[in-house]
This record gives sequence, C-alpha cells and structure tokens, in this order.
Amino acid sequence: DTGVSQDPRHKITKRGQNVTFRCDPISEHNRLYWYRQTLGQGPEFLTYFQNEAQLEKSRLLSDRFSAERPKGSFSTLEIQRTEQGDSAMYLCASSSRTDYGYTFGSGTRLTVV
Amino acid sequence: DQQVKQNSPSLSVQEGRISILNCDYTNSMFDYFLWYKKYPAEGPTFLISISSIKDKNEDGRFTVFLNKSAKHLSLHIVPSQPGDSAVYFCAASAFGNQFYFGTGTSLTVIP
Repeated sequence: DTGVSQDPRHKITKRGQNVTFRCDPISEHNRLYWYRQTLGQGPEFLTYFQNEAQLEKSRLLSDRFSAERPKGSFSTLEIQRTEQGDSAMYLCASSSRTDYGYTFGSGTRLTVV
Repeated sequence: DQQVKQNSPSLSVQEGRISILNCDYTNSMFDYFLWYKKYPAEGPTFLISISSIKDKNEDGRFTVFLNKSAKHLSLHIVPSQPGDSAVYFCAASAFGNQFYFGTGTSLTVIP
C-alpha cells in the first residue's frame, strides 16, 4: 500500500461545469476525510466518513457538493455548477479507528476559469 | 472563527540552530494535537502528535510542548536542517473527529 491516492492531481474546468475527484485511502483505514485548502490557509474540514457512513459535514459543504464512499472503500467528491470560489486544493485523508493521526494524499488542485 | 492560530507566517533559522514554531488555540475541549509538514505540490505529512494528558512528546529532533493553561503548543526542531524547510501546520481536535488547522508557518533553514 503506497498511501492515500488522489486522482486527478490537477483539474482545470470552466465555471458551471461539474467535476468529480476520487480518493483511495490506505486499505485498512476505515475513516476518510475531505479537506479543502486555499492559498495562505490551513486545510478546512469538509466531510468525514466512517466506513460507508457519512458522519459529519461542514457548513462549507454547500448543496453543490456531494461526497460518497460506496462500500467503505474509495470516495468521490463531486462539485456541481463550479464557481471560481471553488478553486482550491482538495485534500483527502484517512485514518484507522485507533489512530488519530491522518495520512493525507497529495491533493487535487482545482482551478475554475 | 479561527480556533487554531499560528501567528508567525514565516521563520528563518540557521542550520544547526533550534527552530521554534508556535501555535495557540481557543477551544478548551481540544484534547489531541498534531503537527504536519508540507512541501510544495504535496499533501501535508504527519510529523508528531501530543494528547492533552501529556505536556511533552519527543521524536528524534522534534519535540512538541503543550501548555494547556495557556492554550499554547510549540514545536521545537533541533538541530535544524535545510531539509526541514517547509510549511508547518498545527492542528487540534476534540474527541478525534475533525481537526482544525492553523494557517501555517513557513520555515526556512539557511545552510
């Protein structure tokens, strides 16, 4: 297992288009998190899954955002009708039940033009 | 509302000297704290953690100190090396779910 994998690394999209990102966590980790990071800021929490259940969502996650984790394995984050303010680095992290430290992926950098 | 604050956006230190990165928090319910290091174009990498039942945790050149009464933690790197140059984030959590991150401190270690 090579860690948390995110795809794509970079995405440029036109305003109004939909985009979907994928995250493959470390296989034995049952917790999966999505964070967003903008320039000059630390990562901001978006949502969290334990296995396939989405347990917590930030108010940052507007109704244009949806996340899924079917079967408790990989996760997808979809942004509908993208806006320029959605431009950011989207980070996925995973952890095990007994380990509070996250392992982050390298992120997907989204640019909305 | 920023619950975790890193008030120094940048820090420069000579190689071999000590680097001290500071972090303040406001939520007294936070019980677990992490430091992450981030290189450009990479995701944050876990560095060291401390729980609220301790006031110090050491791992090689890295030591984290926690002062609960002051709601303050610090990361000491000694001796500092050029490869330590990166952005350092502190993060805090209550009961281990979401972590709140500071805005980061960019450390430059000068050879």
